[in-house]
Amino acid sequence: KAGVTQTPRYLIKTRGQQVTLSCSPISGHRSVSWYQQTPGQGLQFLFEYFSETQRNKGNFPGRFSGRQFSNSRSEMNVSTLELGDSALYLCASSRNRGTGNTIYFGEGSWLTVV
Amino acid sequence: KQEVTQIPAALSVPEGENLVLNCSFTDSAIYNLQWFRQDPGKGLTSLLLIQSSQREQTSGRLNASLDKSSGRSTLYIAASQPGDSATYLCAVYGGNEKLTFGTGTRLTIIP
Repeated sequence: KAGVTQTPRYLIKTRGQQVTLSCSPISGHRSVSWYQQTPGQGLQFLFEYFSETQRNKGNFPGRFSGRQFSNSRSEMNVSTLELGDSALYLCASSRNRGTGNTIYFGEGSWLTVV
Repeated sequence: KQEVTQIPAALSVPEGENLVLNCSFTDSAIYNLQWFRQDPGKGLTSLLLIQSSQREQTSGRLNASLDKSSGRSTLYIAASQPGDSATYLCAVYGGNEKLTFGTGTRLTIIP
């Protein structure tokens, strides 16, 4: 069965632009979460979506936003890009929310801001 | 605020040795703990999930233990192989319903 799919895999943007990243969860998974990974800060939680509703949010500025569609696919958007937004953005899905669910990650989207 | 620490940051061992990776967390009010591996430039692969009520989980050559009261988990890898070389991350799922990751241990198995 297909895993978590993220597109695009690599992209380069200029400061001030905005970017949209896409995530298709594993079939049947309803929870999608997003993470930012940088060498300095490690893996940090961005937000979680379940049934098209944001259920939880990390400590990121409002420039970072996301949404989930009725088919559980999710997108995240970063507006007014800054150099510090260069990172690997990882999407993860699980069947449901809560404690007993294994989380499966996609390969990530590498964003470089120049 | 939950903090997760993994020591050492890097570890090199000869092939065939057994090894232990450590993970400690500051808030023992967790629901579960997961171990992941990450290969360079790739996403994370889930290795083991331990619920807070469990003491350990095993999968093949991997065994993870959890001592919630002391805020510690270990990942034991038996008979290490070059293919085990990767960064290993632990993550705790706490009462804030967020997954908090450790900084990882970069493991190199020397053939």
